[in-house]
Amino acid sequence: EVQLLESGGGLVQPGGSLRVSCAASGFIFSNYGMSWVRQAPGKGLEWVSTISNSGGTYYADSVRGRFTISRDNSKNTLYLQMNTLRAEDTAIYYCAKCGGSRWDYFDYWGQGTLVAVSS
Amino acid sequence: EIVLTQSPDFQSVTPKEKVTITCRASQNIGSSLHWYQQKPGQSPKLLINYASQSISGVPSRFSGSGSGTDFTLTISSLEAEDAATYYCHQSSSFPLTFGGGTKVGIK
Repeated sequence: EVQLLESGGGLVQPGGSLRVSCAASGFIFSNYGMSWVRQAPGKGLEWVSTISNSGGTYYADSVRGRFTISRDNSKNTLYLQMNTLRAEDTAIYYCAKCGGSRWDYFDYWGQGTLVAVSS
Repeated sequence: EIVLTQSPDFQSVTPKEKVTITCRASQNIGSSLHWYQQKPGQSPKLLINYASQSISGVPSRFSGSGSGTDFTLTISSLEAEDAATYYCHQSSSFPLTFGGGTKVGIK
């Protein structure tokens, strides 16, 4: 059974940093692309970033230069390092497994971790 | 950036009624269009990939069609458990984008 378990969310001040993680199990992690998708309170889904199985990275314009996606295939874990956080980054951050090795549909999602940016 | 426009924004439907949700892309995306269901307080769930391909475990009342710029998600006979928000998503090019969502309520 595929499982994605996010952790690391919390309350952070504007301008601060946070790293969220996603522990994956139930599939060969190193074979698949992985993504982060966020959802602001009461709003729709917004793609944030994708990392291919070979390490290629892609970012939304709204986070490029501030966020860094990475993966540790030995630990089956996906990361999102978030720097210079803004109030508009407040959202539930979902880890999602891509259907293929690069970008694709998202066939499994985690339960999400809440990041709140506020003073 | 490819913009996905969903309609309607909200639909209130009687059980057993047919539901049709449309998603229009701002440029040709072939069949790289996927549909998700999100119930309140839950994570999104994949319903249909590549416009019309069924997903294992998803009830057969859910189907998708379309290609190019115009796509449709159909629920053939609505059940109470289908109350949710439905999103389309394109993977044709970066940035990956989602439609604004269609909320389906039960009358």
